[in-house]
Amino acid sequence: SQKIEQNSEALNIQEGKTATLTCNYTNYSPAYLQWYRQDPGRGPVFLLLIRENEKEKRKERLKVTFDTTLKQSLFHITASQPADSATYLCALPNNRDDKIIFGKGTRLHILP
Amino acid sequence: NAGVTQTPKFQVLKTGQSMTLQCAQDMNHEYMSWYRQDPGMGLRLIHYSVGAGITDQGEVPNGYNVSRSTTEDFPLRLLSAAPSQTSVYFCASSGPGTANYGYTFGSGTRLTVV
Repeated sequence: SQKIEQNSEALNIQEGKTATLTCNYTNYSPAYLQWYRQDPGRGPVFLLLIRENEKEKRKERLKVTFDTTLKQSLFHITASQPADSATYLCALPNNRDDKIIFGKGTRLHILP
Repeated sequence: NAGVTQTPKFQVLKTGQSMTLQCAQDMNHEYMSWYRQDPGMGLRLIHYSVGAGITDQGEVPNGYNVSRSTTEDFPLRLLSAAPSQTSVYFCASSGPGTANYGYTFGSGTRLTVV
């Protein structure tokens, strides 16, 4: 069956360090992958989209990699700040009809 | 731009009641979706539309109906509410093709069925 796996445990990172979140998938062949941020009580906010032919994509302090061989995407936040604390979701299209399916998300805490 | 507007923000229903969750977007987006979010389950797709007059089921469609008579509106109907439908519901819209654009989400409707 198709699975999207993100670390279910919260990730605690010291302010100023790089936070790295992982998204692994099985039985998918996505042409692209998306990352979202969700704050408590709010809807998710789209951050980045990376296509299968793009190994890496950057936006300000964010960097996403996409390894279709490992079936994995890594999401990095450099020079992390307490305001980066949130839940981060990866999402990708399913094989049959491109409907967007979300992982369960990883909670990130940036400690001051 | 208002983006994606969901109403109501909070709702309490009794088992067996019906209601409609409203969703409207003003970005002329073709793609619209309804998700529910439950603790430990993440976001699960309920129904989906790629344009006016076109809808399709997602992962958890049972107990819900949708229609898409206009590009702007995508209401979600609960036919006979059950406690298992207690959840936070999010509506989302996207430009022409989610391969190029991410979803814009509404602020959610928090539904409790008692």
